[in-house]
Formats: sequence, C-alpha cells, structure tokens
Amino acid sequence: IAGITQAPTSQILAAGRRMTLRCTQDMRHNAMYWYRQDLGLGLRLIHYSNTAGTTGKGEVPDGYSVSRANTDDFPLTLASAVPSQTSVYFCASSARVNQPQHFGDGTRLSIL
Amino acid sequence: GQNIDQPTEMTATEGAIVQINCTYQTSGFNGLFWYQQHAGEAPTFLSYNVLDGLEEKGRFSSFLSRSKGYSYLLLKELQMKDSASYLCAGMDSNYQLIWGAGTKLIIKP
Repeated sequence: IAGITQAPTSQILAAGRRMTLRCTQDMRHNAMYWYRQDLGLGLRLIHYSNTAGTTGKGEVPDGYSVSRANTDDFPLTLASAVPSQTSVYFCASSARVNQPQHFGDGTRLSIL
Repeated sequence: GQNIDQPTEMTATEGAIVQINCTYQTSGFNGLFWYQQHAGEAPTFLSYNVLDGLEEKGRFSSFLSRSKGYSYLLLKELQMKDSASYLCAGMDSNYQLIWGAGTKLIIKP
C-alpha cells in the first residue's frame, strides 16, 4: 500500500541520548517535511526538503537535523535529546511544494 | 507575523450542519488547506482553496475570501464519525504551511 511509513511508533528516551526517527515514502513525492505536534499548539515545521539533496529549516529547527540522500527517505535526528522535545512527530510528503501534504502515522516520543 | 485563528472547540448534533471558521495572516498566500485529525491519528487532507469561492466535495465544503483573510469548512448531515479535530492551514509565499491549533468538533446524538 502506497504511503508514508514512520518508525518507531513510540519511544521512551533518556535525556542526552541520540535518536533518529525514520520516515520513508513510496509515492515518489518530491517534497518531505517533519512536524511536531504539541497539545494546544498547531503543527510546527521542524525541517523540510523540497527535493532530494536539499533541506531547509522550519519554524523550530534547533536540536534537530535532517538529511535527504534520496527521494524516499527523510530521517530526523535528535543529537542530544532534552525533555522539551517530548512530542508527537509527524513526517509528511507532497508531490510538489504547492500540493496537499500526506502524513505518516506519527512517532510518539517521550524524553525523560 | 503569521497567524491562523480558529475556535478551540465546537459542539453539534448528529444530522445537523456545522461551520468552522478560520482567519489567516500569512506572508504571501498560496492557498488555504483543511485537514481532519481523529484523536491519536495523523491529519488527513480534506480540501484546498486558492481562489475565492466555495468548493464542494460531498458532505464537506470549503469557502475562501482572500480579501478578508477568511475561510470556513462546512460539514453537512453530520455523522458521529465526524467527531475529530479540524485543522486550518495557510500556505505562505515560501510554500510552507502555517497551522492553526485546530477545532475540536464534538458530535452529540
């Protein structure tokens, strides 16, 4: 089934640890995005990639990094996790930057 | 600054009609999106407006007024499964989505 796959589904992590959230899409979409969703707030863009080989910073990039080595994969890395990074993380993709975004099922991350 | 405003919560009755309003301020404008998000799930795309007017898609319709910075989502013949959060998002000049906090819609029998 075509779509976006995120892994892991959920994770509990000790503060200071490094963590990579995985995101893979099989729709050959050019653009990919990482958001975090916190209670009472709208989705906030962390990083984005308009096409393979390029990345950009969103609204809340500090403490996160991404890479886009190919069209399908867009991993998000927390270099040294802090409790304020406790959130639900969604990966999304769109065929082009001005097209609707389609979301993965999310990763629920708790930093203790 | 960029901002999206929508009501926090609304309640409606099964079978009725409900209108969820959204006002937006974005740096440039490349369209207005509506998404549905059930509790614990991912957002799913509902509609996209870039020109003024009403777009109808089954029981759901979305309206845009660019001069007023205003949109609404209209849900007809409400069903219990429509209980969800509805997210309004404006696309800015950099093609990035600015999201509202969402409107939680509660449907009562």
